[in-house]
Amino acid sequence: AQSVAQPEDQVNVAEGNPLTVKCTYSVSGNPYLFWYVQYPNRGLQFLLKYITGDNLVKGSYGFEAEFNKSQTSFHLKKPSALVSDSALYFCAVSPLTNRLAFGKGNQVVVIP
Amino acid sequence: EAGVAQSPRYKIIEKRQSVAFWCNPISGHATLYWYQQILGQGPKLLIQFQNNGVVDDSQLPKDRFSAERLKGVDSTLKIQPAKLEDSAVYLCASSLVVSGQGVGQETQYFGPGTRLLVL
Repeated sequence: AQSVAQPEDQVNVAEGNPLTVKCTYSVSGNPYLFWYVQYPNRGLQFLLKYITGDNLVKGSYGFEAEFNKSQTSFHLKKPSALVSDSALYFCAVSPLTNRLAFGKGNQVVVIP
Repeated sequence: EAGVAQSPRYKIIEKRQSVAFWCNPISGHATLYWYQQILGQGPKLLIQFQNNGVVDDSQLPKDRFSAERLKGVDSTLKIQPAKLEDSAVYLCASSLVVSGQGVGQETQYFGPGTRLLVL
């Protein structure tokens, strides 16, 4: 069965500094990897996904993620964090069957 | 393009009562999902429909939960009777089935969710 680990409960970063949210996964076969963001009282919003090809994936709002097969990781990054990036971030993995397995989420706090 | 619609947004009930949630997916999306998100956890898939057929309901507690998508468009999730541990946010998502692509590649688009509190 597939699973996702997001090891940090909360990530604090100063506005303007680089933001990294970590994700490692376990899945049989080729992984399809996703990042979603959730704002308070809102549903999940899609940020980006890795299917195949270039290991660096660019997504919405200036976010990008790097797929590392040897380390089974898919860390989310943003070069310069904004206060508006403060939210809950979820990593998810899907095998062929499309049952997404989500991590527990990381709360990101961007400090002005 | 309109997003996934859900109602109600909030619901408070007492244990052993019944409750129903409604979802209207993005127009043209054949696949519809219901997730349960307990506070402090990631969403967990309850049931997945493709058109009006069930693809995956292996994690649905079938003794109390039921779902239907009769005309292959909107869907209803019901809990009867509710338990305290059912307090959660219920998220509906939809995705577009594109012929020839692996299903796992599809992006799921989520609605705002229904927050349920069982007292």
